[in-house]
Amino acid sequence: GNSVTQMEGPVTLSEEAFLTINCTYTATGYPSLFWYVQYPGEGLQLLLKATKADDKGSNKGFEATYRKETTSFHLEKGSVQVSDSAVYFCALSDRGSTLGRLYFGRGTQLTVWP
Amino acid sequence: DVKVTQSSRYLVKRTGEKVFLECVQDMDHENMFWYRQDPGLGLRLIYFSYDVKMKEKGDIPEGYSVSREKKERFSLILESASTNQTSMYLCASSSHGTGVYEQYFGPGTRLTVT
Repeated sequence: GNSVTQMEGPVTLSEEAFLTINCTYTATGYPSLFWYVQYPGEGLQLLLKATKADDKGSNKGFEATYRKETTSFHLEKGSVQVSDSAVYFCALSDRGSTLGRLYFGRGTQLTVWP
Repeated sequence: DVKVTQSSRYLVKRTGEKVFLECVQDMDHENMFWYRQDPGLGLRLIYFSYDVKMKEKGDIPEGYSVSREKKERFSLILESASTNQTSMYLCASSSHGTGVYEQYFGPGTRLTVT
């Protein structure tokens, strides 16, 4: 079946530190992969996506590369800011399905201290 | 920009009450979803719909029902609210069109059942 496993938090970093949040997946079809971010008190926002192997998604300094050989989609940022404090969710959609369902990881809480 | 709105940000109901949560999207999306979000459990899919009057059970449909009479509107119904349904409820929508199925989320409704 389809599933996503992401590293458990919470993750606590100082401002300007390097961030990695690991995400691995299991999929029956040909998934698209996503990272969503949830700021306190808000819904989820799409942060970046990749639709095929070796694609790199990027946005707001965050990057993630779709690695089919390791079934991974790790999120990275070179220098985090206090404003990046949020919960991050990795997700996949099975493009072979017409139902449009996403499968989410459990989320990783990131706190950045000044 | 896609906009998904939810009828209330905060809601307090009594045990046994019938509760309606409304979600409206303005981008003519075919797919709509209801999730609940609880600490440590991530997002769990309750129900989704891929067309008007069509619905599919998600992972935790017990105690909930849904209604989709118009394409832009998807309602979640708690027939008899219980305290274990206290949670954050998130609505989302997506399009069939690209086959990528990225979902767009509303701001959430924090429901407290007392």
